[in-house]
Amino acid sequence: GNSVTQMEGPVTLSEEAFLTINCTYTATGYPSLFWYVQYPGEGLQLLLKATKADDKGSNKGFEATYRKETTSFHLEKGSVQVSDSAVYFCALRDTGANSKLTFGKGITLSVRP
Amino acid sequence: DGGITQSPKYLFRKEGQNVTLSCEQNLNHDAMYWYRQDPGQGLRLIYYSQIVNDFQKGDIAEGYSVSREKKESFPLTVTSAQKNPTAFYLCASRKGGQGPYEQYFGPGTRLTVT
Repeated sequence: GNSVTQMEGPVTLSEEAFLTINCTYTATGYPSLFWYVQYPGEGLQLLLKATKADDKGSNKGFEATYRKETTSFHLEKGSVQVSDSAVYFCALRDTGANSKLTFGKGITLSVRP
Repeated sequence: DGGITQSPKYLFRKEGQNVTLSCEQNLNHDAMYWYRQDPGQGLRLIYYSQIVNDFQKGDIAEGYSVSREKKESFPLTVTSAQKNPTAFYLCASRKGGQGPYEQYFGPGTRLTVT
């Protein structure tokens, strides 16, 4: 079956530090990949997505590249801000009629001023 | 403004009572979903519906029930059979079809059962 594995957290960084959050996946087909962000007390918002191998998704300074050879979709940001403090979820949606998302466990990012 | 509303934001119930969580969307989306979020466990799918009057069990459907009588509404009932109902519940919706359409999430309902 499908699965998404995220690195263990939480992660604490100082403002302007470089961020990498690892995500690897297992899927039977050719999935679409997503990063969602959840700010405290809120629902999830789509941060970025990629639909095929070598696609790069980007938004708000965050980037992730769909790497089929390593089955990875790592999230990066060159310089984090305090406002980036949130929980980040990696997810995949496999091809086919089933439209379900499979989520990773999420990782909490705290950014110190 | 289009979006998904969930009400109430906080809900408290006594053990043994059924409780229904509301989810409404005005995005004209065909598909709707219910997830449960627990600390350190990510999101787990409870039920989903791809079209009106049809729904399927997700990974953790036991102790829950849903209905989909209208396109814009997908209420979730947490029954007394659910062993550990205290959690944060998230509703989502998505455009129909097989494209890589994103799921849009509501703000969530935090249910506490004592």
